[in-house]
Amino acid sequence: GQNIDQPTEMTATEGAIVQINCTYQTSGFNGLFWYQQHAGEAPTFLSYNVLDGLEEKGRFSSFLSRSKGYSYLLLKELQMKDSASYLCAVRDSNYQLIWGAGTKLIIKP
Amino acid sequence: IAGITQAPTSQILAAGRRMTLRCTQDMRHNAMYWYRQDLGLGLRLIHYSNTAGTTGKGEVPDGYSVSRANTDDFPLTLASAVPSQTSVYFCASSEGSGSGYNEQFFGPGTRLTVL
Repeated sequence: GQNIDQPTEMTATEGAIVQINCTYQTSGFNGLFWYQQHAGEAPTFLSYNVLDGLEEKGRFSSFLSRSKGYSYLLLKELQMKDSASYLCAVRDSNYQLIWGAGTKLIIKP
Repeated sequence: IAGITQAPTSQILAAGRRMTLRCTQDMRHNAMYWYRQDLGLGLRLIHYSNTAGTTGKGEVPDGYSVSRANTDDFPLTLASAVPSQTSVYFCASSEGSGSGYNEQFFGPGTRLTVL
């Protein structure tokens, strides 16, 4: 079967750095996405990785290792508005997204 | 309008009733998707359409049907609602359905309760 694993919840302090991990086992791999979802709102796109390595976009970076079936999202200089759920999704051999259950990130002042 | 709109925002429905959730996008995207999101579970794909005139079944299609008569609209119909269909439903679209970015853009969601 196909499986995406993420921690259920994480807590971090404002101004700090946090790393959210995602491991996956899917039928085929055609890219990995990270989305942010604030409570009661729609998911919004954060990043896309298809090759191994780090993609940096402002305060957010995403890393991929295809051989390990592993990705992480790194958030720097945390702000209160970063409190949200972070969703990992893998595009499989049918070009459909398989989603993890999401990691709820709680930022404390 | 800009982006994707969904209607209604929320609905309480009696079991056995028929219901259509509406989704419209104005980005001229080729691909559209319907997901349901339940607490503790990831988004699950119900149906998708790679281009106008075609549809396909996702992970959890039973009890749902879709049509794609044109590029902009992608309605989801529950023929006879059951309580297990209580969920938040998201419509999404992407420019294409193959490799490359093709990130999905989401509508605001419809919160459906079936009693």
